[in-house]
Amino acid sequence: GAVVSQHPSWVICKSGTSVKIECRSLDFQATTMFWYRQFPKQSLMLMATSNEGSKATYEQGVEKDKFLINHASLTLSTLTVTSAHPEDSSFYICSAVVLAKNIQYFGAGTRLSVL
Amino acid sequence: GQQLNQSPQSMFIQEGEDVSMNCTSSSIFNTWLWYKQDPGEGPVLLIALYKAGELTSNGRLTAQFGITRKDSFLNISASIPSDVGIYFCAGQLLGDSSYKLIFGSGTRLLVRP
Repeated sequence: GAVVSQHPSWVICKSGTSVKIECRSLDFQATTMFWYRQFPKQSLMLMATSNEGSKATYEQGVEKDKFLINHASLTLSTLTVTSAHPEDSSFYICSAVVLAKNIQYFGAGTRLSVL
Repeated sequence: GQQLNQSPQSMFIQEGEDVSMNCTSSSIFNTWLWYKQDPGEGPVLLIALYKAGELTSNGRLTAQFGITRKDSFLNISASIPSDVGIYFCAGQLLGDSSYKLIFGSGTRLLVRP
């Protein structure tokens, strides 16, 4: 159990366009999801907490207008990178919390390349 | 911000050897988790620890939650090539109800066949 699906796994886009990444909890409901960014050979950096039915909570230094998060259902959170630029190229990973176990389960990640 | 000190940073070992890595902090945690990440993938949960002193095994993996609630170790016995990857410790601070995790910097494991 506790499967988290993230889509797409890889996306290339032109500078100035927007990209949407989906994170789904397949076999459980997730009122809380998280979005991370990971640079090569580094640990995961928390970007924001996604709460179902309410606004996301962003970490310090993360532009909320740049990284739009929507958590409209108990099984889906989306991250939209707006007006993407090459410096937004990175590996983005989502996680969903199984509250009863107090455990985050992670998606497989999305590699974003902005040309 | 809060930090987890994870060591070693990397290990290059012979197949069949045992491996040990640990995480320490000056803060107290109520949950410790160990994840493994393969290249280009998301972290996969290995072991979850909830109580001080708890010792838990998952196949060849064994992890313990330190008695002071400030540290944890992960041991891998009789390593095999598929153990290659990056291992992260992660903890949830005592009293934090946000479900946020603080991650260690990772231990990169390479196994020589």
